[in-house]
Amino acid sequence: QVQLQESGPGLVKPSETLSLTCAISNGSIGSYYWTWIRQSPGRGLEWIGYIYYTGITNYSPFFQSRVTISLDTSKKQFSLRMNSVTTSDTAVYYCARVTGDIDYHYFDSWGQGTLVTVST
Amino acid sequence: SYVVTQPPSVSVAPGKTATITCGGKNIGSKSVHWYQQRPGQAPVLVIFYDDDRPSGVPERFSGSNSGDTATLAISRVEAGDEADYYCQVWDTTSDHPVFGGGSKLTVL
Repeated sequence: QVQLQESGPGLVKPSETLSLTCAISNGSIGSYYWTWIRQSPGRGLEWIGYIYYTGITNYSPFFQSRVTISLDTSKKQFSLRMNSVTTSDTAVYYCARVTGDIDYHYFDSWGQGTLVTVST
Repeated sequence: SYVVTQPPSVSVAPGKTATITCGGKNIGSKSVHWYQQRPGQAPVLVIFYDDDRPSGVPERFSGSNSGDTATLAISRVEAGDEADYYCQVWDTTSDHPVFGGGSKLTVL
């Protein structure tokens, strides 16, 4: 069973860059999409973007202008960078694996989530 | 973009069957996936491809999908089933996932 573990600073100042990493263990990085999803306090799930194992990325239009997702196959990890953060970016950030047939993808494995607070 | 709608809350007595709906235009032509999120925990997949269960998910969990409504049914509800439930489809036009707003299941 693949396991995912997020890591990164729990506190980021407004206007700065949020950086998180997701370590992949007990599974292959190939043939899958890898994604970031966040959940603001008391709110629902919000998809940020994904990266395919080939390096192809796709982002939510809401985040596209300030987000980058990258993949390091040698370290079996992928990362999220979100710049110009505001207090509205305070949320629990999850990494997850995307699987399933084309056009019918779903998320079969999730990290435990990491809380990122944007505050001075 | 595609939109899916869930009721914000569903209540059910222990031992009864809970049904949580996920509405969307012609959603029956898509595959619907369901996630359970207990308080303070990450979401967990409970149903994929409308009605398949991952290993380890009790048979009490089932799904269906037709027309404009997909449904998650939980039979013989237990206190431990109290959680938020999210439906999800993949929007083929944008190649993005779409989540419902979530339904909070309360066991009375």
